[in-house]
Amino acid sequence: GAGVSQSPRYKVAKRGQDVALRCDPISGHVSLFWYQQALGQGPEFLTYFQNEAQLDKSGLPSDRFFAERPEGSVSTLKIQRTQQEDSAVYLCASRGPGGDNQPQHFGDGTRLSIL
Amino acid sequence: GENVEQHPSTLSVQEGDSAVIKCTYSDSASNYFPWYKQELGKGPQLIIDIRSNVGEKKDQRIAVTLNKTAKHFSLHITETQPEDSAVYFCAARGGSYIPTFGRGTSLIVHP
Repeated sequence: GAGVSQSPRYKVAKRGQDVALRCDPISGHVSLFWYQQALGQGPEFLTYFQNEAQLDKSGLPSDRFFAERPEGSVSTLKIQRTQQEDSAVYLCASRGPGGDNQPQHFGDGTRLSIL
Repeated sequence: GENVEQHPSTLSVQEGDSAVIKCTYSDSASNYFPWYKQELGKGPQLIIDIRSNVGEKKDQRIAVTLNKTAKHFSLHITETQPEDSAVYFCAARGGSYIPTFGRGTSLIVHP
């Protein structure tokens, strides 16, 4: 079966523009996570969904960041009025049923560059 | 919250040698410790994980050890091969469902 798919793989935007990043999780995975990975760093948690419910958004750095998962499958991370410090790789991960100790499966990320 | 420290940041070995990466964590409630391998341009891939009810787990050339008292865990790779070259991340997860990642170790295996 297919893994976690993210698109686009690369996105270049000018400062101030809005961007939308897409994540297609593994089919049947109810849990979905978004992470931000700066160069040379480990992934940093942004937000978590269980089905369509956003249960935790404590990692979102500002109100310019918004995530949704309206039908409990595909998720979109939107960044409004982008700034240079938003440049990073944005990773999506999904997790199957079976509880919190199940492993997360990561996509290959979207590399976002803000000029 | 949880704090995970990972060392070394860079590790260079000759093919066939062993490599050891160490992590410490701060939250004594943490009970799940995965290790990920990340190749350039790819997302992290789970290579092995350990839960707090065991002290060691092995999968072919890869092993992980956990010392709950000292709050540290280590990744051991034996008989390293050039294709083992990548960035390795440890993570710890406790009462929260959110894992905290270390800053990564860049492993370079020289042929």
